[in-house]
Amino acid sequence: DVKVTQSSRYLVKRTGEKVFLECVQDMDHENMFWYRQDPGLGLRLIYFSYDVKMKEKGDIPEGYSVSREKKERFSLILESASTNQTSMYLCASSTPSGSTYEQYFGPGTRLTVT
Amino acid sequence: AQSVTQLGSHVSVSEGALVLLRCNYSSSVPPYLFWYVQYPNQGLQLLLKYLSGSTLVKGINGFEAEFKKSETSFHLTKPSAHMSDAAEYFCAVKTSGGYNKLIFGAGTRLAVHP
Repeated sequence: DVKVTQSSRYLVKRTGEKVFLECVQDMDHENMFWYRQDPGLGLRLIYFSYDVKMKEKGDIPEGYSVSREKKERFSLILESASTNQTSMYLCASSTPSGSTYEQYFGPGTRLTVT
Repeated sequence: AQSVTQLGSHVSVSEGALVLLRCNYSSSVPPYLFWYVQYPNQGLQLLLKYLSGSTLVKGINGFEAEFKKSETSFHLTKPSAHMSDAAEYFCAVKTSGGYNKLIFGAGTRLAVHP
């Protein structure tokens, strides 16, 4: 079974803090994704990565950056957290090869910025 | 460009009743379609997917969905609701580009009452 883990289930940070959210997958997947989930808006793509050190902006990249130094790990960084970044953050991974096209999700990190 | 519309942000059914969650999509290419479920405080889990072939797709936990090209729909059904089906359900379509990117609907929260 594919396993995607996220470093924290719940996180509380202060406005202006630098925040790191970590995601690790154990299936050697090339593609990794960061979403934020807000009520009534579904999942919105922040950034994705298709290989080590490769990244592309999603639909809402403002205020975020990412890092992928190893294939299994994809980090989301909030350079200066703001209250409007309070949300649920979901990481996912998938493989393009022989593909079933589905994404596998981690349990999510609920971030509160005060 | 692809898009997904889920009709009804909240659906409530009685235990044992039919579950019908509606999803309409827009796609300029033959769509790859997915239904995911999210139980409270968890990540998303794949219920079923349509890639090609039979338009009636069976998934886990007794759910199924029918792809109707003429109606651009991919509605999710279950003949008899169970209390454990209470969750949020997301319909998604794969984008036409690479990297297995998905576009998600806003979600439908299903409540099941005795």
